[in-house]
Amino acid sequence: DIVMTQSPDSLAVSLGERATINCKSSQSVFSSSNNRNYLTWYQQKPGQPPKLLIYWASTRESGVPDRFSGSGSGTDFTLTISSLQAEDVAVYYCHQYYSNPIAFGGGTKVEIK
Amino acid sequence: EVQLVESGGGLVQPGGSLTLSCAASGFTIGSSWMYWVRQPPGKGLVWVSRINPDGSGIGYEDSVKGRFTISRDSAKNTLYLQMTSLRAEDTGVYYCVKSIIWGQGTLVTVSS
Repeated sequence: DIVMTQSPDSLAVSLGERATINCKSSQSVFSSSNNRNYLTWYQQKPGQPPKLLIYWASTRESGVPDRFSGSGSGTDFTLTISSLQAEDVAVYYCHQYYSNPIAFGGGTKVEIK
Repeated sequence: EVQLVESGGGLVQPGGSLTLSCAASGFTIGSSWMYWVRQPPGKGLVWVSRINPDGSGIGYEDSVKGRFTISRDSAKNTLYLQMTSLRAEDTGVYYCVKSIIWGQGTLVTVSS
């Protein structure tokens, strides 16, 4: 089974500053058949289900602000919030759907400094 | 539009049973890997059960083996999770998941 490891566990960033979250998979989640990484990023606020931000590691979901970006390939991935806004306070999860069973990172809590 | 709608959660006493349902629309559940993912209060996401398209790849997370059963009704296009011998640690929001499509979740609370 693939294991997903996120870092850091929590992050405090000043408004307008950059936030960076890392995610590492124990095996590659890249498919050479379609040149895609089967890696998503979710944002979760209290009392709400996870909200899809990024899929295929770097494709922003419709309606997601462009301050959110995803990068990486193979086993190492990054979610960047370029200019943190108050409404971005949440827990962020990475998720691999390359192989079954699916797996999630442990989450990163983003707060305002 | 692909949509998943869970139901069946609630308050149940330890040792009790509950069956969750996930009604799918916009696709056929028998054509996809389907998951139940659990989120305990204040904690992260963990898959607890899965079923593959032909039904040969049913799996359970270790803590629920022997107590939970996943199934589906193709005619109703609905996924189920039958939960028995429930414990306090089974408390959480249960989500039905297909790839990157999630339902809104249903809350299960196991408490006396």
